[in-house]
Amino acid sequence: DVKVTQSSRYLVKRTGEKVFLECVQDMDHENMFWYRQDPGLGLRLIYFSYDVKMKEKGDIPEGYSVSREKKERFSLILESASTNQTSMYLCASSLRTGRLLNYGYTFGSGTRLTVV
Amino acid sequence: DAKTTQPPSMDCAEGRAANLPCNHSTISGNEYVYWYRQIHSQGPQYIIHGLKNNETNEMASLIITEDRKSSTLILPHATLRDTAVYYCIVRVFHGSSNTGKLIFGQGTTLQVKP
Repeated sequence: DVKVTQSSRYLVKRTGEKVFLECVQDMDHENMFWYRQDPGLGLRLIYFSYDVKMKEKGDIPEGYSVSREKKERFSLILESASTNQTSMYLCASSLRTGRLLNYGYTFGSGTRLTVV
Repeated sequence: DAKTTQPPSMDCAEGRAANLPCNHSTISGNEYVYWYRQIHSQGPQYIIHGLKNNETNEMASLIITEDRKSSTLILPHATLRDTAVYYCIVRVFHGSSNTGKLIFGQGTTLQVKP
């Protein structure tokens, strides 16, 4: 069964801390994505990556950075956590568009981050 | 980017068909329609996608109008476990990377009632 695994289900961090959210997929997918989900705002794309060491900004990249050193792992980094980054963070992966059997995204279960 | 419009909420009786509409009047010729659902406290789950023709899989059917400006997701026999937020998304292709990022709207909250 294909899987996207996020390292933590719940996380509590202090304001100003550097926070790493890890995501690993075992499907050999080229594309990986980070979203955040907030009540009333839906899912918003933070960053995505279409290859190792490649990254592109999504709709709300401010305050975040990402790292993709290996194909299977995509990390989201909060350089200095703030309370407005309290949210549910969702990682997803997909095959590169245009390949056969492209069934869209597979999401992880999410990490609920609270910044206090 | 093509945008979608969905009703914010719908109810359906258990065992009956649930028909969830979606408008995407600005869709481009090469853009697919995707449907996902999100059950409370879980990540979104892929349901089905299509380009022009109607599609069916073990979860649902997707009916796309001939002009492609709207579509309907059909859950033929809704169960209580189908209670979720359903997202209709048009896949946006991103330049040379061809990543096809998905832009989620607010979705439709489907409540299946006994």
